[in-house]
Amino acid sequence: DGGITQSPKYLFRKEGQNVTLSCEQNLNHDAMYWYRQDPGQGLRLIYYSQIVNDFQKGDIAEGYSVSREKKESFPLTVTSAQKNPTAFYLCASSNRPPGRTNEKLFFGSGTQLSVL
Amino acid sequence: GQNIDQPTEMTATEGAIVQINCTYQTSGFNGLFWYQQHAGEAPTFLSYNVLDGLEEKGRFSSFLSRSKGYSYLLLKELQMKDSASYLCAVVGYNQGGKLIFGQGTELSVKP
Repeated sequence: DGGITQSPKYLFRKEGQNVTLSCEQNLNHDAMYWYRQDPGQGLRLIYYSQIVNDFQKGDIAEGYSVSREKKESFPLTVTSAQKNPTAFYLCASSNRPPGRTNEKLFFGSGTQLSVL
Repeated sequence: GQNIDQPTEMTATEGAIVQINCTYQTSGFNGLFWYQQHAGEAPTFLSYNVLDGLEEKGRFSSFLSRSKGYSYLLLKELQMKDSASYLCAVVGYNQGGKLIFGQGTELSVKP
């Protein structure tokens, strides 16, 4: 079955540590996204990529980094510079950006990151 | 600026009808999405509106008025499994295809 997979489901970070969240899709989608979800707030865009080897900052990119070396994979690194990393992180993909057509996003099941 | 507003919480009774409103102010408009999200799970697509009017899909319908910057999601014959968060998201012209999400409406369906 085609889909988008995030791992791990739960992740704990120590002070000063970088952690990487995995996101893999087998939908052959060009575009991939990372969102952060905090209680009582909407999803906020961290980074997005519309094609391999290219990515753009979203609204809250500080303290995060990404890579897009393969079409299927879009890992997110939460660096020690992100001072408030505790949140639910959602990865998504779409065939094309939603703005061009009614292209919907397919979401992964999320990673809950907590600080020890 | 860009702003999307939804009520934070709503409660309804099983078998009833509930309407979840969403108002938006964005730089341009290129469509509005509704997603459903159960706690700790992935959001799933419910509907897309780009023209004014009502789109019906089974128990769920979505309405859009572009002139008023307003949409609603209508859920009929509520079931307990409809207890979830409902997310409104808008695409603006100059957003590079990015979605701007509202904070979501937490719906509780009671027996």
